[in-house]
Amino acid sequence: AQSVTQLDSQVPVFEEAPVELRCNYSSSVSVYLFWYVQYPNQGLQLLLKYLSGSTLVKGINGFEAEFNKSQTSFHLRKPSVHISDTAEYFCAVSVMNRDDKIIFGKGTRLHILP
Amino acid sequence: DTGVSQDPRHKITKRGQNVTFRCDPISEHNRLYWYRQTLGQGPEFLTYFQNEAQLEKSRLLSDRFSAERPKGSFSTLEIQRTEQGDSAMYLCASKPTKGATNTEAFFGQGTRLTVV
Repeated sequence: AQSVTQLDSQVPVFEEAPVELRCNYSSSVSVYLFWYVQYPNQGLQLLLKYLSGSTLVKGINGFEAEFNKSQTSFHLRKPSVHISDTAEYFCAVSVMNRDDKIIFGKGTRLHILP
Repeated sequence: DTGVSQDPRHKITKRGQNVTFRCDPISEHNRLYWYRQTLGQGPEFLTYFQNEAQLEKSRLLSDRFSAERPKGSFSTLEIQRTEQGDSAMYLCASKPTKGATNTEAFFGQGTRLTVV
């Protein structure tokens, strides 16, 4: 079975500062990796995904993430955050080449401080 | 295409009542998923369909829960004899099984259920 661990339930960061949201996964088979964002009372929107190839993936809103197979991590980064980035961020996995469900982590709430 | 649509957006019901939610996926998306999200948690998988066939059900889906996708298009999720623990956001997602976006699930805005 697959699982996702997001170690930080909340991350406060000052506006225009860089941020990293951590994600580790567990799986005995190869997986696809995703980051989704959820604004208050909204559904989930895909930020970026890793399928294969380059381990650094770029997404929307200036976010990027790096896949590290040896550390089974997929940390999300942004060099300079804006107040509009205040939201809940979810890391997720699904099994590669198997049309299957997506398993989510518990989420990290990003607080942008003025 | 307007994306995944869920109805209603909010539902308040008394304990013991039955409720039904509807999800309209993006047209031509074969896969349809239901998730439940409680406060402060990530979405938890409930069940999914390939066209009209229900392929997997989570242990979270007790016998009070039933989901259907009768014609392979929209889906309904029914909860019978609701309990306060059923209060949550119910999310629907869809994705194609072929094409450039077949690894990505598109989510609706959810139905927030409050059982009082």
